[in-house]
Amino acid sequence: KNEVEQSPQNLTAQEGEFITINCSYSVGISALHWLQQHPGGGIVSLFMLSSGKKKHGRLIATINIQEKHSSLHITASHPRDSAVYICAAEYGNKLVFGAGTILRVKS
Amino acid sequence: DTAVSQTPKYLVTQMGNDKSIKCEQNLGHDTMYWYKQDSKKFLKIMFSYNNKELIINETVPNRFSPKSPDKAHLNLHINSLELGDSAVYFCASSQGGLAVQETQYFGPGTRLLVL
Repeated sequence: KNEVEQSPQNLTAQEGEFITINCSYSVGISALHWLQQHPGGGIVSLFMLSSGKKKHGRLIATINIQEKHSSLHITASHPRDSAVYICAAEYGNKLVFGAGTILRVKS
Repeated sequence: DTAVSQTPKYLVTQMGNDKSIKCEQNLGHDTMYWYKQDSKKFLKIMFSYNNKELIINETVPNRFSPKSPDKAHLNLHINSLELGDSAVYFCASSQGGLAVQETQYFGPGTRLLVL
């Protein structure tokens, strides 16, 4: 069964803190996606990766194929980073989603 | 310009009615998707189309019928609406056909409430 597990479910941080969200998946994925869902509901693709590490501004995504694990890091967090972060594993030609991590960054 | 647009944004209707949600992408992408996000915010794929052909059809009731008149449009028609159909429905598109590892671009979502 293709499953995606995310942790933590909820995360509250102080502005400036370093944040890590974790995602684990089962075998056979072709890529791992990180998405951000804004409080207003819109969904934006942050990263798609199949190996190594990608960086965009204060966001960093890593994947360890052997351990079947990916992490999303946010450096110097800011209240505007408050959102739901969703990882999704690509099995064949479809995405299977994790349950999401609700992040709240307090000023 | 909006890349992936959906109409309507909100839809409130009675049980038993038939309704449609429209999706259009102006990105020139070959593949389009419909996702359902339930009340617990869990996303699940419903359908995907590649160049107007159905590629993925997950375990979705027959009351849901996607229609793709051309590769820029993927509409979702729902017959005999039920309370459990209340959710947010997202359309998305990606460049590739059956190719994997493509970034997906999401529409703003359609919030459906069945009373």
